[in-house]
Amino acid sequence: DTEVTQTPKHLVMGMTNKKSLKCEQHMGHRAMYWYKQKAKKPPELMFVYSYEKLSINESVPSRFSPECPNSSLLNLHLHALQPEDSALYLCASSQDGQGAWDTQYFGPGTRLTVL
Amino acid sequence: GEDVEQSLFLSVREGDSSVINCTYTDSSSTYLYWYKQEPGAGLQLLTYIFSNMDMKQDQRLTVLLNKKDKHLSLRIADTQTGDSAIYFCAEPMDTGRRALTFGSGTRLQVQP
Repeated sequence: DTEVTQTPKHLVMGMTNKKSLKCEQHMGHRAMYWYKQKAKKPPELMFVYSYEKLSINESVPSRFSPECPNSSLLNLHLHALQPEDSALYLCASSQDGQGAWDTQYFGPGTRLTVL
Repeated sequence: GEDVEQSLFLSVREGDSSVINCTYTDSSSTYLYWYKQEPGAGLQLLTYIFSNMDMKQDQRLTVLLNKKDKHLSLRIADTQTGDSAIYFCAEPMDTGRRALTFGSGTRLQVQP
């Protein structure tokens, strides 16, 4: 099983709302990732968690707050977003984020619209 | 790898072969990947190739790697309408991080 699940599939929120995106995998992977993908663009890395610790933050604004409560779950908390944050948010996981063989598997994404 | 380049669009007829090209930047990349993205969907891992290989074949997919020129290609034999999607090549960001840098993506359109 190489499945990564994400909820919700679609999310519409106002600029003053607080919402969360969720990601789950049951492959025993210890590295999890958030990517942001704007329309007609490739995915861009936001955060990397390795063994439940934040290992990379690609200078993402603080209105995005990641959380890794356990090795299977990854959340992205959203607060005071801007319309330009509208995008497809992709979660991925890999074995451990360390070795050269570490292959990433992606979820279907959450399509976020900020009004 | 910071600038992974791909041509933007490819149109083929059903049953023909498709060849999608990619130029990557980091000669130390140990693995290179091809992902497929259908409209409105996430990324599906298609195949990958280890840097000590020149070619890898997986059913209708053939990956060719030219390390000297940092050139990667994906050939899809007997292309079907279900192959219509965006194809991304990707390499690890650098030796210290395992997140991926993606190419700009090639939109493959298969005409019936």
